[in-house]
Amino acid sequence: QLQLQESGPGLVKPSETLSLTCTVSGGSISSSGYYWGWIRQPPGKGLEWIGNIYYGGSTYYNPSLKSRVTISVDTSKNLLSLKLSSVTAADTAVYYCARRISGSGRMDVWGQGTTVTVSS
Amino acid sequence: QSALTQPASVSGSPGQSITISCTGTSSDVGGYNYVSWYQQHPGKAPKVMIYDVSNRPSGVPDRFSGSKSGNTASLTISGLQAEDEADYYCSSYTSSSSWVFGGGTKLTVL
Repeated sequence: QLQLQESGPGLVKPSETLSLTCTVSGGSISSSGYYWGWIRQPPGKGLEWIGNIYYGGSTYYNPSLKSRVTISVDTSKNLLSLKLSSVTAADTAVYYCARRISGSGRMDVWGQGTTVTVSS
Repeated sequence: QSALTQPASVSGSPGQSITISCTGTSSDVGGYNYVSWYQQHPGKAPKVMIYDVSNRPSGVPDRFSGSKSGNTASLTISGLQAEDEADYYCSSYTSSSSWVFGGGTKLTVL
């Protein structure tokens, strides 16, 4: 069964770039019909959609984060990546990767999440 | 984009029914049938309970149901059980080709 696992530094300094990866196992990130994306949740707050990428390479981002976000896939390694530049304390959150079925709003598989703290 | 509007909290006794609302605009909830509902227990990843307004994934109890009228979507849980106590989030597709979540509702089973 498909599983997602986020990984990356737990601590990032202000103004630097946050880089996370999501390892996809039990299935191929190249499979047609799916979007792969990132969602975050600041401590004690709600969910925020960051963006996603279609298996064919098209990317879609939250308009409020678009200028700082890059989402990509490495099909040879079955990896999804997130880069968020110029981070501030407001970017401190649990970051989740998730799969969404194309033609639906259903995000059906989620990673367990990884906590990122922005602090000097 | 602004978060969809949900009540901060709702509560009910075991066996009762509760409804959580999710209000957006014609550019998101009202414009598309891509409203989903997610359940999140403390320290856990969200789990989809309803997708595309009223569809239930296999394995989700039929006590969970969804609907939409105009710019407001609703999640109803009937026959409340203790394990339903969690945070619930709605989400919707938007006219900006993006997705937006609601602020979340904490469900307490009394």
